[in-house]
Amino acid sequence: ELKVEQNPLFLSMQEEKNYTIYCNYSTTSDRLYWYRQDPGKSLESLFVLLSNGAVKQEGRLMASLDTKARLSTLHITAAVHDLSATYFCAVDNSGGSNYKLTFGKGTLLTVNP
Amino acid sequence: NAGVMQNPRHLVRRRGQEARLRCSPMKGHSHVYWYRQLPEEGLKFMVYLQKENIIDESGMPKERFSAEFPKEGPSILRIQQVVRGDSAAYFCASSPSQGLTYNEQFFGPGTRLTVL
Repeated sequence: ELKVEQNPLFLSMQEEKNYTIYCNYSTTSDRLYWYRQDPGKSLESLFVLLSNGAVKQEGRLMASLDTKARLSTLHITAAVHDLSATYFCAVDNSGGSNYKLTFGKGTLLTVNP
Repeated sequence: NAGVMQNPRHLVRRRGQEARLRCSPMKGHSHVYWYRQLPEEGLKFMVYLQKENIIDESGMPKERFSAEFPKEGPSILRIQQVVRGDSAAYFCASSPSQGLTYNEQFFGPGTRLTVL
């Protein structure tokens, strides 16, 4: 059974600081997705990482994928309050179906002034 | 282009009643997925449907839960005889036809079900 673990689960940051969220998964997959969820809202797609070594950046967020280590990171640079949200990583089962996303528990990020 | 639509956004039911959750996929998308999110948890896959077909319902409880995606109209997730443990946010997602190398799913706003 595919398992996805995120850490930390809670992250309180000061503005302008940098930090990294980690996402480990248990079985082979070449596809990893990062989503953002604001309280009471739906999931917004942030990044789709499709191959080993993939790196994508959007504003203050940068995501990378290491399929050999089964690890993805979401790096936050110079955090601002607007980034406060819950961030989820999700993996699909490339060894079988590619439609069933397995999600981590999420990282609740709070950026303090 | 409207995104994935779900209604109602909030639904309150008493124990033993039925809950019907509706999902209209994005235009041009023929694949629908339902996920459940319990408080403080990630989303858990329930069921994957194409028009008039259930492809994978391995994440759905065997009893009281059913899903359909008719030829015309929205996808429906139906929960009969609801219990308090069914209280959760239910998200629908859609994607275009398979055949792509990856399967980016686009999520609706969710239906928050509260069972009293």
